[in-house]
Amino acid sequence: GDSVTQMEGPVTLSEEAFLTINCTYTATGYPSLFWYVQYPGEGLQLLLKATKADDKGSNKGFEATYRKETTSFHLEKGSVQVSDSAVYFCALTPYSSASKIIFGSGTRLSIRP
Amino acid sequence: GAGVSQSPSNKVTEKGKDVELRCDPISGHTALYWYRQSLGQGLEFLIYFQGNSAPDKSGLPSDRFSAERTGGSVSTLTIQRTQQEDSAVYLCASSISGAIEQFFGPGTRLTVL
Repeated sequence: GDSVTQMEGPVTLSEEAFLTINCTYTATGYPSLFWYVQYPGEGLQLLLKATKADDKGSNKGFEATYRKETTSFHLEKGSVQVSDSAVYFCALTPYSSASKIIFGSGTRLSIRP
Repeated sequence: GAGVSQSPSNKVTEKGKDVELRCDPISGHTALYWYRQSLGQGLEFLIYFQGNSAPDKSGLPSDRFSAERTGGSVSTLTIQRTQQEDSAVYLCASSISGAIEQFFGPGTRLTVL
């Protein structure tokens, strides 16, 4: 079945460091891809999305590009801040319309001042 | 406007008791989803309602779990004869018809003693 694999955490970086969190997926058809974020004590929020191959999702300085040839959707940010400390989930929906989300296991990110 | 709300925020129960968890979706959202977030299993899809269509129950882990959605709005997730492995955060999400972006509620933390 469809699945998402993301790098295990925790990941600890210093402020202003470059961030990459790897994510790969397995899916039949043409899934839509997402990164969700869960800040401490808060609910899940959509960070960014991409719905077709070569699309780039971006938000709050984070970017991820839908790579069908490598079945990947890696999350990157050029200069992280302490406020980026959170748990990040890579996810997909199997179809281009509303359906269940399949989540990766999550990566906890901690940023040191 | 108001987001997705869930109640109670916390529920502690004894093994073998039944529990009901409530979700109020965003007004106008016709799609409603339940997920479970637990330490051992990550984030798992449970059930999906879309308008008047038959729900997608493919994620329910056992027949002790059921959900209903009355009047196309509020949903109740019921767990009968709770077990300790049911302890988790139960998340509800909603979306507008056909949209892939889901908006999550704060969750209900269930602890089964």
